Amino acid sequence: EAGVAQSPRYKIIEKRQSVAFWCNPISGHATLYWYQQILGQGPKLLIQFQNNGVVDDSQLPKDRFSAERLKGVDSTLKIQPAKLEDSAVYLCASSLVTSGKETQYFGPGTRLLVL
Amino acid sequence: GENVEQHPSTLSVQEGDSAVIKCTYSDSASNYFPWYKQELGKRPQLIIDIRSNVGEKKDQRIAVTLNKTAKHFSLHITETQPEDSAVYFCAASSNYQLIWGAGTKLIIKP
Repeated sequence: EAGVAQSPRYKIIEKRQSVAFWCNPISGHATLYWYQQILGQGPKLLIQFQNNGVVDDSQLPKDRFSAERLKGVDSTLKIQPAKLEDSAVYLCASSLVTSGKETQYFGPGTRLLVL
Repeated sequence: GENVEQHPSTLSVQEGDSAVIKCTYSDSASNYFPWYKQELGKRPQLIIDIRSNVGEKKDQRIAVTLNKTAKHFSLHITETQPEDSAVYFCAASSNYQLIWGAGTKLIIKP
């Protein structure tokens, strides 16, 4: 079974530039998560989708971050404009359903460095 | 909302000894508590989980205990091995999402 795919794996940009990350979840998984993991900290949920609808985006900085999952499968996360404090690993995860009580399968992450 | 605290932030044990990591949560309605292991530069992976209808669960050298009254749960690793070195995260399920602890870096000394 293929796992969660993410691209790119690494990205270096200058502040005020924009960047986009892509995620392809495990086939059949209805729920998709985007997390931000700053070095030395636990994952922080940015947004959670069930199919193509948003379940929770309360911690997404909406003035600069946006995410979509138009067809209920792949998802993109965008940052525009980026700030230095956005430097982190962006993890995408998926789970079969949305109950909060299932295993979340993580992708390899995208490591973002903002200079 | 839910808040999860995890201790210690760093734990160093001799190979072969046991390691215990503790977490507390605030929302009494939380009823699912997974533990994830993240090796350096890799993705988090589920190693064990427990639901609130049980007090303990064991899988080989790993066990998790839950005290709902005190709102805390713990991860126990026995006979630690070098491959146990990683960051371990606890989490608690609240309102369809997981709230994560800050992580414990486990160091296994040879």
